[in-house]
Amino acid sequence: KNEVEQSPQNLTAQEGEFITINCSYSVGISALHWLQQHPGGGIVSLFMLSSGKKKHGRLIATINIQEKHSSLHITASHPRDSAVYICAVLPSYNTDKLIFGTGTRLQVFP
Amino acid sequence: DGGITQSPKYLFRKEGQNVTLSCEQNLNHDAMYWYRQDPGQGLRLIYYSQIVNDFQKGDIAEGYSVSREKKESFPLTVTSAQKNPTAFYLCASSGVGGPGANVLTFGAGSRLTVL
Repeated sequence: KNEVEQSPQNLTAQEGEFITINCSYSVGISALHWLQQHPGGGIVSLFMLSSGKKKHGRLIATINIQEKHSSLHITASHPRDSAVYICAVLPSYNTDKLIFGTGTRLQVFP
Repeated sequence: DGGITQSPKYLFRKEGQNVTLSCEQNLNHDAMYWYRQDPGQGLRLIYYSQIVNDFQKGDIAEGYSVSREKKESFPLTVTSAQKNPTAFYLCASSGVGGPGANVLTFGAGSRLTVL
């Protein structure tokens, strides 16, 4: 079993819909990262969080340390949000190396 | 603007050849990382460096080598010993405190294909 699991693997939505992507992990962590990878391959960091909630524009990330779970929400989704969203955790047992999930592929149609 | 530059973007290699992927950053970041991405898998760490002239093996270092002679530069050599080198390679960096305190900045990636 992977230490970081994301769901769903694939997600399609109509423009304007509210999107939720989930990340569950099985280890104690120091931090959790959400990343966005566009079709060309480049990756952009969206959030780093260790507790609570962060918001940037239409994106909201939450984390529940006790339940070992994080969610990424996109409000008023747009076709330009189409990308692969990747969750990565920094385990407490090794704070040098991130463990990555396999990603959630999101497609938003107009 | 500050960022990470990877080159080349696409690279084709014949079996038995070594190739070097370049990674340069102007962010003044101490830590730099090389990841490999394969379809259906999460990013896997090849090598990382937290300071000039020092680097550590990641989870899949066999068949790869790196150097860190300058803070700005962290080139990756894919040697002929790497049995399955066809993949997408990503370089990243982070500031003081590493990924426990900072987001990572990624390059645009290099896609290596072995013919």
